[in-house]
Amino acid sequence: GAGVSQTPSNKVTEKGKYVELRCDPISGHTALYWYRQSLGQGPEFLIYFQGTGAADDSGLPNDRFFAVRPEGSVSTLKIQRTERGDSAVYLCASARNSRTPGANVLTFGAGSRLTVL
Amino acid sequence: GNSVTQMEGPVTLSEEAFLTINCTYTATGYPSLFWYVQYPGEGLQLLLKATKADDKGSNKGFEATYRKETTSFHLEKGSVQVSDSAVYFCALSSTQGGSEKLVFGKGTKLTVNP
Repeated sequence: GAGVSQTPSNKVTEKGKYVELRCDPISGHTALYWYRQSLGQGPEFLIYFQGTGAADDSGLPNDRFFAVRPEGSVSTLKIQRTERGDSAVYLCASARNSRTPGANVLTFGAGSRLTVL
Repeated sequence: GNSVTQMEGPVTLSEEAFLTINCTYTATGYPSLFWYVQYPGEGLQLLLKATKADDKGSNKGFEATYRKETTSFHLEKGSVQVSDSAVYFCALSSTQGGSEKLVFGKGTKLTVNP
């Protein structure tokens, strides 16, 4: 597609529920990133995919968070047993090639706003 | 670890005023530096970047120069417009653990009044 698409744009859930957030990157972009942006803060790195594999998941806060990208295109961020502290905007970004330092221009989606009551 | 510190906002200016948003960084090696902008209701967009010391990034009248000696990448614009109202994020690109990822500052909200 023309841009990075994220769904849903807004999600309200109750504490303890399971949530899935979807990211559809720009066609042909092999690199995909998930970031989390809390109110008044800059985006914080969660996980990075190169193709189908998670090349770096060092930003995932705990084992309740998991992400997949089974066919190297669409990615799903999964959050189990949600907590109020998980409330944030979850941003997805994609890039054509992450292997050239400094050339990795990320295109961001509009984000999925998650509210855990 | 790598980090970015940018000027706290909010910043409120009148149209045609001069803008500076300060950004300093801490990093190992030679990071690339970026400014991203988030307009109301939209996603983050790359505004400009610089990949090595003394490089100047520029776009839409905004400029920033990569200063290695002061570890800074301050954003400037000579004459702001109402349409520049947005949140601005300074970021560096670090290669750690085999992957290149962006580390962002907290953001500076700019409001330009007519």
